[in-house]
Amino acid sequence: GAGVSQTPSNKVTEKGKYVELRCDPISGHTALYWYRQSLGQGPEFLIYFQGTGAADDSGLPNDRFFAVRPEGSVSTLKIQRTERGDSAVYLCASSPSLAGGPRLWDEQFFGPGTRLTVL
Amino acid sequence: DAKTTQPNSMESNEEEPVHLPCNHSTISGTDYIHWYRQLPSQGPEYVIHGLTSNVNNRMASLAIAEDRKSSTLILHRATLRDAAVYYCIPLSSGTYKYIFGTGTRLKVLA
Repeated sequence: GAGVSQTPSNKVTEKGKYVELRCDPISGHTALYWYRQSLGQGPEFLIYFQGTGAADDSGLPNDRFFAVRPEGSVSTLKIQRTERGDSAVYLCASSPSLAGGPRLWDEQFFGPGTRLTVL
Repeated sequence: DAKTTQPNSMESNEEEPVHLPCNHSTISGTDYIHWYRQLPSQGPEYVIHGLTSNVNNRMASLAIAEDRKSSTLILHRATLRDAAVYYCIPLSSGTYKYIFGTGTRLKVLA
């Protein structure tokens, strides 16, 4: 079946602009995660959704970053007033979960990422 | 969150077994140990997970120390396609978020 997809695959923007990054999770997966990966580093957690609600947004670096998942499927990560330090690969993952949340043995399925470059 | 220590890099010859170690001495009793790998220009992919017992699947084996302070991912016959960064990730109850370290970059020599 189809895996996690992310669009666009590449995004180049200018400092100060607004960007939106989209994630389409695997159908039926209720848990969705956003990570950010800088060059040479492991992915860094940003936010986790259970259904429509953000269950943990402790990784969002500041209030320029915001994410939504209005219908419990597709999610959009929004970055306002982009800065050069925001340049990274943004990864989305989804996992099956029970109503109360994912289980510790649930696998996360990652998308290919969106490479964001802020000039 | 449990901290992990992995070698920065390792090399293996093709067709030979590879043992990738991970130290997670601060792990709690209910933390699962997940392993993921990331091939170049791709998102991470699941390899294996375990709690206390050794685990096997079609990709690899996971050997967990009796005190659970370390684990070893075993690729039985490395192929060129196994060249990737391998991450060991303890997962704690109540968090569900992965804390990736810098992982081990595995180079497979033909």
